[in-house]
Amino acid sequence: GENVEQHPSTLSVQEGDSAVIKCTYSDSASNYFPWYKQELGKRPQLIIDIRSNVGEKKDQRIAVTLNKTAKHFSLHITETQPEDSAVYFCAASTNAGGTSYGKLTFGQGTILTVHP
Amino acid sequence: DADVTQTPRNRITKTGKRIMLECSQTKGHDRMYWYRQDPGLGLRLIYYSFDVKDINKGEISDGYSVSRQAQAKFSLSLESAIPNQTALYFCATSVGAATRGDTQYFGPGTRLTVL
Repeated sequence: GENVEQHPSTLSVQEGDSAVIKCTYSDSASNYFPWYKQELGKRPQLIIDIRSNVGEKKDQRIAVTLNKTAKHFSLHITETQPEDSAVYFCAASTNAGGTSYGKLTFGQGTILTVHP
Repeated sequence: DADVTQTPRNRITKTGKRIMLECSQTKGHDRMYWYRQDPGLGLRLIYYSFDVKDINKGEISDGYSVSRQAQAKFSLSLESAIPNQTALYFCATSVGAATRGDTQYFGPGTRLTVL
């Protein structure tokens, strides 16, 4: 099955700096890569996703890049703010017969701390 | 607001007890999932269901069972709880196959402690 590795496990930055979180995946059939943010005591929520036909996607201060050849994708947060402090999870989805795109394999998570 | 809810939110139980965690959704989604979250291990899939008649094991289904009572309800059972099942459990839903990509919406979680 799919295996997703996420690094680093913890990341500490100063407010205004950029933060980068990287993930690698094992299954070359994976074609959907979402990122979830989980604030302390809250549920995970989707913040951005990318599909295999796109190399990069941006949404305000957040961007995701995908390198299908190398089987890795990254989350970039620019101009970080204290409210960006959270656990971030990457995930990958693989076709599963006729029920594709629904079964996510998650990375281990990155605890991001943004210091004021 | 359409949402995903879980009951109970917190539960403390003893080794060997049977326990059921319940998930309900008003989003009208066909797909439902159960995950457990442990520190440093991310979210691991226990079971998933793509419709009422479809139940599938995830990567860590041993010691768990599920029931999909209706489109809106998906329950997770621990037949005989053991301490290493102490974790935060999340239910999630998604709309299903038509589009590429399938956003999952999570419930608030159930914190389970097995003594």
